[in-house]
Amino acid sequence: NAGVMQNPRHLVRRRGQEARLRCSPMKGHSHVYWYRQLPEEGLKFMVYLQKENIIDESGMPKERFSAEFPKEGPSILRIQQVVRGDSAAYFCASSPEFLDEQFFGPGTRLTVL
Amino acid sequence: DAKTTQPPSMDCAEGRAANLPCNHSTISGNEYVYWYRQIHSQGPQYIIHGLKNNETNEMASLIITEDRKSSTLILPHATLRDTAVYYCIVRVDDSGTYKYIFGTGTRLKVLA
Repeated sequence: NAGVMQNPRHLVRRRGQEARLRCSPMKGHSHVYWYRQLPEEGLKFMVYLQKENIIDESGMPKERFSAEFPKEGPSILRIQQVVRGDSAAYFCASSPEFLDEQFFGPGTRLTVL
Repeated sequence: DAKTTQPPSMDCAEGRAANLPCNHSTISGNEYVYWYRQIHSQGPQYIIHGLKNNETNEMASLIITEDRKSSTLILPHATLRDTAVYYCIVRVDDSGTYKYIFGTGTRLKVLA
């Protein structure tokens, strides 16, 4: 049973570039969550998606950030025109139903130069 | 904003029980308490969760006070591999969707 997979594990971007983070949920899981973790802080909820639908994006910054979970393929978190403040670890979690416990991936560490 | 308060750090001797406290004085009646841990900045790992009753599984026990304003995670026989940051989380109902609200966690160090 493969766990939640995220790639890349490390991503380096220069200011102004786009960052694209991928998350493949566990088999049979149709609910995906994205969190951001700044150094020495807890995780902060960003967005909750089901297949082809954004259910709750209340934690997403209003500009430059978007997320999708298409019918086929992984969930994508996209950050356009990255700035240094976007440097963080981004974790994806999945669950079979939205009230069940969430299983986390290993994270993508984004560094913006 | 976090709904939980935890001590920033704790030490525990190997083989002894580790008792990690958490305050969640503003918790609502239908909000669950979850515990996760994060080892070396890996993805958080689920430990246990509960609503009102005490819970036990192969990893830990969760003791929730009767008024539900606080809880304690107990690792009965801590090992060096239990060194991690432990997060006490309240799962909140926000306009019909449920989300985890993480606090800053307790950094547990198990000493040989």
